[in-house]
Amino acid sequence: DTGVSQDPRHKITKRGQNVTFRCDPISEHNRLYWYRQTLGQGPEFLTYFQNEAQLEKSRLLSDRFSAERPKGSFSTLEIQRTEQGDSAMYLCASSWDREGNIQYFGAGTRLSVL
Amino acid sequence: AQSVTQLDSQVPVFEEAPVELRCNYSSSVSVYLFWYVQYPNQGLQLLLKYLSGSTLVKGINGFEAEFNKSQTSFHLRKPSVHISDTAEYFCAVSEGNAGNNRKLIWGLGTSLAVNP
Repeated sequence: DTGVSQDPRHKITKRGQNVTFRCDPISEHNRLYWYRQTLGQGPEFLTYFQNEAQLEKSRLLSDRFSAERPKGSFSTLEIQRTEQGDSAMYLCASSWDREGNIQYFGAGTRLSVL
Repeated sequence: AQSVTQLDSQVPVFEEAPVELRCNYSSSVSVYLFWYVQYPNQGLQLLLKYLSGSTLVKGINGFEAEFNKSQTSFHLRKPSVHISDTAEYFCAVSEGNAGNNRKLIWGLGTSLAVNP
């Protein structure tokens, strides 16, 4: 079991550029979550997949954000036209139905928008 | 709507002393409760969970927590802390019986600083 893997670990970009993050969940997990965490805060829910279906999106997720999980395995989170306010840690978690939704987290991708 | 309140933003404590990190939640349905720990520049690691059954749950690294339904609390305790316990601790809740999306609602975190 390799755990949840996120790539890249760090991303520095200029305002206005597009960025894409990848999350590889634990292999047998059917649920996948994206959260965002800013300094000194707890994580905030962004979006949720069950298998390949995106079932809920937070109002925090503006039109510039899009997430996919095309084959129900890995997921990508894309941010278009990045803004300085997008600077945060983006966390991915996975879980499966039989464990009461115990979510296992990756190490996160830290985004810095200059 | 669910919410989680961690009553202390920072808790300084001396090594080998006991510690309690407080967490209260609000929810109109049954809940699952979690404590996670986050070390600097790392992801979130599950410390312990309450899903059902015994209200006293034990986790990793000697931590335990007690679910108190009447007080809607889930306080985290450790009888003797180590320097290595210095980290950010997050309490989280998800609804146990509501639909498919069991997103976690988080507290703001408690920074535990263990001093020698």
